[in-house]
Amino acid sequence: KAGVTQTPRYLIKTRGQQVTLSCSPISGHRSVSWYQQTPGQGLQFLFEYFSETQRNKGNFPGRFSGRQFSNSRSEMNVSTLELGDSALYLCASRVGLATDRTDTQYFGPGTRLTVL
Amino acid sequence: AQSVSQHNHHVILSEAASLELGCNYSYGGTVNLFWYVQYPGQHLQLLLKYFSGDPLVKGIKGFEAEFIKSKFSFNLRKPSVQWSDTAEYFCAVNARTTGRRALTFGSGTRLQVQP
Repeated sequence: KAGVTQTPRYLIKTRGQQVTLSCSPISGHRSVSWYQQTPGQGLQFLFEYFSETQRNKGNFPGRFSGRQFSNSRSEMNVSTLELGDSALYLCASRVGLATDRTDTQYFGPGTRLTVL
Repeated sequence: AQSVSQHNHHVILSEAASLELGCNYSYGGTVNLFWYVQYPGQHLQLLLKYFSGDPLVKGIKGFEAEFIKSKFSFNLRKPSVQWSDTAEYFCAVNARTTGRRALTFGSGTRLQVQP
């Protein structure tokens, strides 16, 4: 079974631009979560989507948004980019059944975003 | 809110040495516990996980971890490390509550194994 895939793998943008990152979950997984990884802040949760609805959100400004499609693929958008948004953005998927409190998140390779 | 502490930020060991990485968490309810590993240039991979039952869990590549509820700890161990274990190790928890599956990660421990 193919793992979580993320595109693009690398991205360079300038301040003020906006960017869209894409994530395809493992087949059969309906939940997709996004995390930001930086040397200073470590791994931080951005948001989670399930059945095209945002189910959980971390402490990030409204410039960070996302969506999920009917095939469970997800996109994350960052508007008005700032230098501090430079990070590795990780997508993770899990089966997502509400009754299963023990399902595990599997991570993709990430998108390395550099903001100049 | 949950929090996770990994007190060892950088560990340097020689091959065949034993490893123990500390992880303590703070949360008032029942949690699931995980260790993830990130090899250089690779993505986060699940090393092992604890949900319930035997507090000593075994993972891939000879790693194991012990959940000690009274100490809110989930330390990672390996009896004999190899050069290929050089990586960054992250402890993570999530609440076993419907709708709160976001992982809270520790700051990570960079392990360097010298041949």
